[in-house]
Amino acid sequence: DAKTTQPTSMDCAEGRAANLPCNHSTISGNEYVYWYRQIHSQGPQYIIHGLKNNETNEMASLIITEDRKSSTLILPHATLRDTAVYYCIVKDFNKFYFGSGTKLNVKP
Amino acid sequence: GAGVSQSPSNKVTEKGKDVELRCDPISGHTALYWYRQRLGQGLEFLIYFQGNSAPDKSGLPSDRFSAERTGESVSTLTIQRTQQEDSAVYLCASSSREVRTYEQYFGPGTRLTVT
Repeated sequence: DAKTTQPTSMDCAEGRAANLPCNHSTISGNEYVYWYRQIHSQGPQYIIHGLKNNETNEMASLIITEDRKSSTLILPHATLRDTAVYYCIVKDFNKFYFGSGTKLNVKP
Repeated sequence: GAGVSQSPSNKVTEKGKDVELRCDPISGHTALYWYRQRLGQGLEFLIYFQGNSAPDKSGLPSDRFSAERTGESVSTLTIQRTQQEDSAVYLCASSSREVRTYEQYFGPGTRLTVT
């Protein structure tokens, strides 16, 4: 069973920030939140992960609420190549539950 | 360096036949995962190997599915007596425990079609 819930799809204008929400209300204290994305017909690609603190890398930023029950992935300047399915994942022991993800459509 | 490779890239088989799918992980990666992705759906965890430990098989959907891994190298996923509902893309991923993120590197997948 997926431990996260995400909207099915979102639209974003090219050049604008894309903010993808995720709820993980049953997360436990030592579980990390991971984000991956899957571009059509390819394997998933790691984006970012975090535990408590906000994180930023060259691809994205991850904002985790203080109670850790939700998080937001931010793509600061979305491009057409960012069109993909974005998965928010909480790792349960050895298993990564990918769920159905959010289909992000970046539009010109 | 080389990434995760999988073979074949596409496999079409008749219902009732057995199939073997192969995964070559990144050299030195101790962990290996198999996932199934049906059309338009997310990834379903199937099985996890970590070094010489007993594999976590809890995601295998039936006893027709099995997987083996030789040490920390190649893995084979076998589906016996294939059914049409087995049609999916089968993805393999590997990761290294020495990388704190446990980031998984995915292969391109094998698209299985059961006719």
